[in-house]
Amino acid sequence: DAGITQSPRHKVTETGTPVTLRCHQTENHRYMYWYRQDPGHGLRLIHYSYGVKDTDKGEVSDGYSVSRSKTEDFLLTLESATSSQTSVYFCAISEYRDNTEAFFGQGTRLTVV
Amino acid sequence: AQSVTQLDSQVPVFEEAPVELRCNYSSSVSVYLFWYVQYPNQGLQLLLKYLSGSTLVKGINGFEAEFNKSQTSFHLRKPSVHISDTAEYFCAVISMDSSYKLIFGSGTRLLVRP
Repeated sequence: DAGITQSPRHKVTETGTPVTLRCHQTENHRYMYWYRQDPGHGLRLIHYSYGVKDTDKGEVSDGYSVSRSKTEDFLLTLESATSSQTSVYFCAISEYRDNTEAFFGQGTRLTVV
Repeated sequence: AQSVTQLDSQVPVFEEAPVELRCNYSSSVSVYLFWYVQYPNQGLQLLLKYLSGSTLVKGINGFEAEFNKSQTSFHLRKPSVHISDTAEYFCAVISMDSSYKLIFGSGTRLLVRP
């Protein structure tokens, strides 16, 4: 299995509080992605990164920010959590050089109450 | 911008019957195409991918898919399904426009009945 770890795996937080989810990889892959998964919507891209300090918005970026200060870590921050951000969040990594495939973390279940 | 449409949200099928899960994409540039599977309470696992070359791609667990550029489709097939194939299947696309933005469809839940 690809070395990709998401933390925390589960979190319950209150509306209006900031929340940070962490994605850590040991594969030295250039590309990292954050998705949210909701019933009927599949996986929707929030933000992605194509290198250290290089990030771009995805399909549903409002209310989220990201940072990537080093290759191995990609942080997703909910600036002020809302109930609509209750979801399962997945991180993915890829290289697209030797092996064109995205590897996924096990997911973080976030509940905003 | 690229997009992916999975036309069926759920496909029920009896065990040992054939199945086809449909996927259509849109992109103004060349694409890479993927099918991923998600078993209950797990992450996503790659089934197969199309990068170039032969349009018929074989993957794990007996699945295959055919890339049809004129119809912008990448349908997934299996000639005989098992109960263990019950899962959610996602089609995904990357456009080769240097952004490497990986976009997924809304998913198809395959329900295999005995």
